[in-house]
Amino acid sequence: GEDVEQSLFLSVREGDSSVINCTYTDSSSTYLYWYKQEPGAGLQLLTYIFSNMDMKQDQRLTVLLNKKDKHLSLRIADTQTGDSAIYFCAEKAGGYNKLIFGAGTRLAVHP
Amino acid sequence: DVKVTQSSRYLVKRTGEKVFLECVQDMDHENMFWYRQDPGLGLRLIYFSYDVKMKEKGDIPEGYSVSREKKERFSLILESASTNQTSMYLCASSSPLTGSQETQYFGPGTRLLVL
Repeated sequence: GEDVEQSLFLSVREGDSSVINCTYTDSSSTYLYWYKQEPGAGLQLLTYIFSNMDMKQDQRLTVLLNKKDKHLSLRIADTQTGDSAIYFCAEKAGGYNKLIFGAGTRLAVHP
Repeated sequence: DVKVTQSSRYLVKRTGEKVFLECVQDMDHENMFWYRQDPGLGLRLIYFSYDVKMKEKGDIPEGYSVSREKKERFSLILESASTNQTSMYLCASSSPLTGSQETQYFGPGTRLLVL
């Protein structure tokens, strides 16, 4: 069945780049997403990429997609303390806009 | 802006109680979802609904039921709460647009503790 995997923790220094990685199994996924969850809040869509794209850039965020390896990454440039959150990778699977989520990567930004 | 609201941020219930979690969205979305979020497991889909009075089981429906009597409201019901249902519950909604990206919009979550 479908599965999405991500590492659970990442710690970076303020001002450095953060790279959060994700692997997925469903090669028919049409869209892949990155969501952000701040403490005590619901999930907020950060960005998404269509499966026929290799890269998408949006200000400090860069998404890279390697379809051959089923690997997705999110790079945050110039990471700030406000970027500390849990980041979820998700793939669209099946009908009715069902999403399969990874376990989430907790990003800690330290001075 | 899309708004998804959940009736409670925190709930404490006793084992065996019937629990209702309510979710309301104001964007006329057809699809609504209930997830539970547990550390290290991410979000797991409990049930979803693609229209009024329609429902589909997700990945972990056991111990839960849902109700969608009106388009804007999707209720999650724990018929007899158990301690292993202590979790964060997240509601989401989306609008189906064939062939395009469909964002799911999330509520703030309800943290349920079952004693």
